[in-house]
Amino acid sequence: GNSVTQMEGPVTLSEEAFLTINCTYTATGYPSLFWYVQYPGEGLQLLLKATKADDKGSNKGFEATYRKETTSFHLEKGSVQVSDSAVYFCALSDISGGTSYGKLTFGQGTILTVHP
Amino acid sequence: DGGITQSPKYLFRKEGQNVTLSCEQNLNHDAMYWYRQDPGQGLRLIYYSQIVNDFQKGDIAEGYSVSREKKESFPLTVTSAQKNPTAFYLCASSIRRGGTEAFFGQGTRLTVV
Repeated sequence: GNSVTQMEGPVTLSEEAFLTINCTYTATGYPSLFWYVQYPGEGLQLLLKATKADDKGSNKGFEATYRKETTSFHLEKGSVQVSDSAVYFCALSDISGGTSYGKLTFGQGTILTVHP
Repeated sequence: DGGITQSPKYLFRKEGQNVTLSCEQNLNHDAMYWYRQDPGQGLRLIYYSQIVNDFQKGDIAEGYSVSREKKESFPLTVTSAQKNPTAFYLCASSIRRGGTEAFFGQGTRLTVV
């Protein structure tokens, strides 16, 4: 079956530091990959996505590249802000079986705290 | 504004009671989903529905039930058979074919008292 593994957290950084959150996956088909962000007490918002190998997703300074050879989709940001403090989820969706993009397999989430 | 509305935001249940969580969307999406979130475990799929009057079990369906009588509505009932119902519940929707992402509601926090 499909699975997603994220780096252990929580992650604590100072403002303007470089961020990397590792994500690796296993999938039987050809999945699409996502990073979702969750602010305290709220639902999930899509941060970025990549639907095929070597695609790079980017949004709000965050980037992640779909690496099929290493089955990875690591999230990076060059300079974090206090407002980036949230929980980040890596997820995959495999639509090869006829299901749609909302049927997601999630990693366990990584709590990011950014201090001024 | 189009979106997904979950209600209530907070819900308290006595042991042995059934409770129903509401999820409504006006995005004209065919597919809807229910996820459960527990600390440190990510989100796990409870049930999903790709068309009206049809739904499938996800990974943790035991103790839950759903219905899909209307395209815009997908209520989740947490039954007394669910042994550990205290969690954050998230509803999502997506286009059934095509599209590239799912949209999530703001969640309902259920607490057993």
